[in-house]
Amino acid sequence: DAKTTQPTSMDCAEGRAANLPCNHSTISGNEYVYWYRQIHSQGPQYIIHGLKNNETNEMASLIITEDRKSSTLILPHATLRDTAVYYCIVRGNSGAGSYQLTFGKGTKLSVIP
Amino acid sequence: ETGVTQTPRHLVMGMTNKKSLKCEQHLGHNAMYWYKQSAKKPLELMFVYSLEERVENNSVPSRFSPECPNSSHLFLHLHTLQPEDSALYLCASSPSSGFLGTGELFFGEGSRLTVL
Repeated sequence: DAKTTQPTSMDCAEGRAANLPCNHSTISGNEYVYWYRQIHSQGPQYIIHGLKNNETNEMASLIITEDRKSSTLILPHATLRDTAVYYCIVRGNSGAGSYQLTFGKGTKLSVIP
Repeated sequence: ETGVTQTPRHLVMGMTNKKSLKCEQHLGHNAMYWYKQSAKKPLELMFVYSLEERVENNSVPSRFSPECPNSSHLFLHLHTLQPEDSALYLCASSPSSGFLGTGELFFGEGSRLTVL
């Protein structure tokens, strides 16, 4: 699976949009981009995933660049409860180990009142 | 509430003890996972079960022994652990172990293990 690069930490003012970047320059054509988050002392929570089109659900939006080498997770109106570590993961859809989600260190997002 | 329940939430054990962690899911999923999260380290995949058969063992020491009696339950048996095994152990489930599903994992709250 392709590796991802994320900033170590970010701050966001409460009520503003939080834009979390992720670089995955070695992504291959059949690999999806997944986002999870982990609030302190809890298990990770799935947020969203996509292949090449932008995606939106009730939690967030995922913007993937046309060359698919980077993506941005957008939390439109960040709240204090969005303070967490956000993980960007690239995973293939076939072949050995395609079920594996390999978590990196993620981005620690702090939402500030 | 994710539908994945782990017990106990906290466990303290000596190096000579035998204990077990339990995971239960009521989501009708076919795949279950054990992850380990040590302090200041990324989550590490330990085991994957698909339809009650182990499909992955990521070079985990034999002092960790998984058991999957049915698709709803997963155990992690612990024996003669070391202090460096102290960590948060997370269970997860998904509709499928392969990419027949969405790749969406549902995690439990974790079992915080301390080995003295």
